[in-house]
Amino acid sequence: DGGITQSPKYLFRKEGQNVTLSCEQNLNHDAMYWYRQDPGQGLRLIYYSQIVNDFQKGDIAEGYSVSREKKESFPLTVTSAQKNPTAFYLCASSSPTMASNQPQHFGDGTRLSIL
Amino acid sequence: GNSVTQMEGPVTLSEEAFLTINCTYTATGYPSLFWYVQYPGEGLQLLLKATKADDKGSNKGFEATYRKETTSFHLEKGSVQVSDSAVYFCALSDRGAAGNKLTFGGGTRVLVKP
Repeated sequence: DGGITQSPKYLFRKEGQNVTLSCEQNLNHDAMYWYRQDPGQGLRLIYYSQIVNDFQKGDIAEGYSVSREKKESFPLTVTSAQKNPTAFYLCASSSPTMASNQPQHFGDGTRLSIL
Repeated sequence: GNSVTQMEGPVTLSEEAFLTINCTYTATGYPSLFWYVQYPGEGLQLLLKATKADDKGSNKGFEATYRKETTSFHLEKGSVQVSDSAVYFCALSDRGAAGNKLTFGGGTRVLVKP
């Protein structure tokens, strides 16, 4: 079955530590996205990528970094500069990039907590 | 800029009751509109979509009609079940924007009691 796989499901970070969240898709989608969801709130866009080797900042990119070396993969690194990283992180993909009537498909999320 | 406003929850209903979740939007272009559903501890699943004015999206007994004149996309279901308990998100994607970015509403939690 095609889909988006996020790992791990739960992740714990110590103060001052960088952590990387994995996102892999086998839907052959060009575009991929990272969102942050805080309790009782909607989704906020962190980064997105329309094509391999290219990515753009979203609304809350500070303290995060991404790479897009392969079409299937879009890992998110939460750096020590992100002062409040505890949240639920969702990865999504869609295709084609310029057709806004195509929905985004979501993974099951990674819950990050500070130890 | 684009924005989506949906009614705050939680919405608590009894089984077989009628559900309406209001959603209104502001967009500079010609958006496509979506409803997503999120079950506890999971990601978002597409529930339905509409891509132009007067389109009606429907799925699993849920319906929503794209109303350009009122800039609304209200979600309705005639008879809810306990399994419909979830958080529902209204979202838009602006055809004029690069990257097919979604703008989400804040979500509405629905609790259906037996």
